[in-house]
Amino acid sequence: DSGVTQTPKHLITATGQRVTLRCSPRSGDLSVYWYQQSLDQGLQFLIQYYNGEERAKGNILERFSAQQFPDLHSELNLSSLELGDSALYFCASSVGRDDNSPLHFGNGTRLTVT
Amino acid sequence: LAKTTQPISMDSYEGQEVNITCSHNNIATNDYITWYQQFPSQGPRFIIQGYKTKVTNEVASLFIPADRKSSTLSLPRVSLSDTAVYYCLVGRMNYGGSQGNLIFGKGTKLSVKP
Repeated sequence: DSGVTQTPKHLITATGQRVTLRCSPRSGDLSVYWYQQSLDQGLQFLIQYYNGEERAKGNILERFSAQQFPDLHSELNLSSLELGDSALYFCASSVGRDDNSPLHFGNGTRLTVT
Repeated sequence: LAKTTQPISMDSYEGQEVNITCSHNNIATNDYITWYQQFPSQGPRFIIQGYKTKVTNEVASLFIPADRKSSTLSLPRVSLSDTAVYYCLVGRMNYGGSQGNLIFGKGTKLSVKP
């Protein structure tokens, strides 16, 4: 058990809809990261937050947004969903901001867009 | 951004030692090398991290030559449960700098056979 909690585990929705994925980091970790993994794209880094502030951006679409709250949990919002957004979405956390502290991943949310 | 190159796949048999090599020719002075393991439909799991020479933990060993342009993850006496994808990451994200330690490539798919 990594200590990172993601909810829900599964989500099925229709194209054009909006969903929110939630992540609770490990106790003591200040950084939260979001990744998307689909069969043809591998594991893609989306965005990092550190202590409530956006720290780094990867391949995140404009239809997607995220935030980290004062209690350090994070939410990833996906809107105007398309079939191609179907994927596993992972959250990870780490202690530091810009260091080499290992990432600890949750078990993911499987999003299916129909 | 230090680019990494790993074999796409490897096969082994139970009880054998497996060595997975990662090339990172343009590794920077401050870069660390980190390996993760991922089982299907699970988030990646941190295995080992090193900077130079050799690092060993209860799961694996990491060998890094003096020039640091490559690294080798060694898994002793693998079992069927070691069948997974293994990722090599290189980088240290300084302010406004490289995100190498956040970028997962395709990894090496290790298949252990009985």
